Amino acid sequence: DIQMTQSPSSLSASVGDRVTIACRASQSISRHLNWYQQKPGTAPKVLIYATSSLESGVPSRFSGSGSGTDFTLTINTLQPEDFATYYCQESYSVPFSFGQGTKLEIK
Amino acid sequence: QVQLVESGGGVVQPGGSLRLSCAASGFTFSSYGMHWVRQAPGKGLECVAFTRNDGREKYYADTVKGRFTISRDNSKNTLYLQMNSLRSEDTAVYYCAKGEARLDLWGQGNLVIVSS
Repeated sequence: DIQMTQSPSSLSASVGDRVTIACRASQSISRHLNWYQQKPGTAPKVLIYATSSLESGVPSRFSGSGSGTDFTLTINTLQPEDFATYYCQESYSVPFSFGQGTKLEIK
Repeated sequence: QVQLVESGGGVVQPGGSLRLSCAASGFTFSSYGMHWVRQAPGKGLECVAFTRNDGREKYYADTVKGRFTISRDNSKNTLYLQMNSLRSEDTAVYYCAKGEARLDLWGQGNLVIVSS
């Protein structure tokens, strides 16, 4: 099974900041990597798919990059609604694996 | 309206069984692979089962293999998860989700509590 490791596990930032979350796969997954945002009590929502493609309706301040085993999610100019938990997920082999999550909190 | 609506959760004793359902609407259900994803209280996300659009191929996480069975009825636009030999560690919110690669539509989640 593919293991996905995110860093950091938690992150404090201020509105207007730029933040980066890293995700590492235990083996090469090419560009089969998605990012999700989850707010308390709600289902996750896909933000980025295939490493760098922006899901319809997602603000352009979200971006993704990487390939092989190392990937990043960047959020430019943090907005109040961005404080949430973020998960990476590989779509290289089923059943898919998620990272453990990164909780983004307001500083 | 494009949506997934889950049902069937609740409280069950260890060793018991439960069947979850996920009713799809607003899209061509038979064209998409479907997943069950769970989230234990305060924990992260775990994909536990996947079935391809025609139901012929099924895949399971090691944590549920041999105990859970995913199935679908494309004539009823419904996905199922039969859960047997339930354990306390199966306590979680269970989501159904649509997609072959990215999970772009999720249900509202259904809480399953395994407790005596």
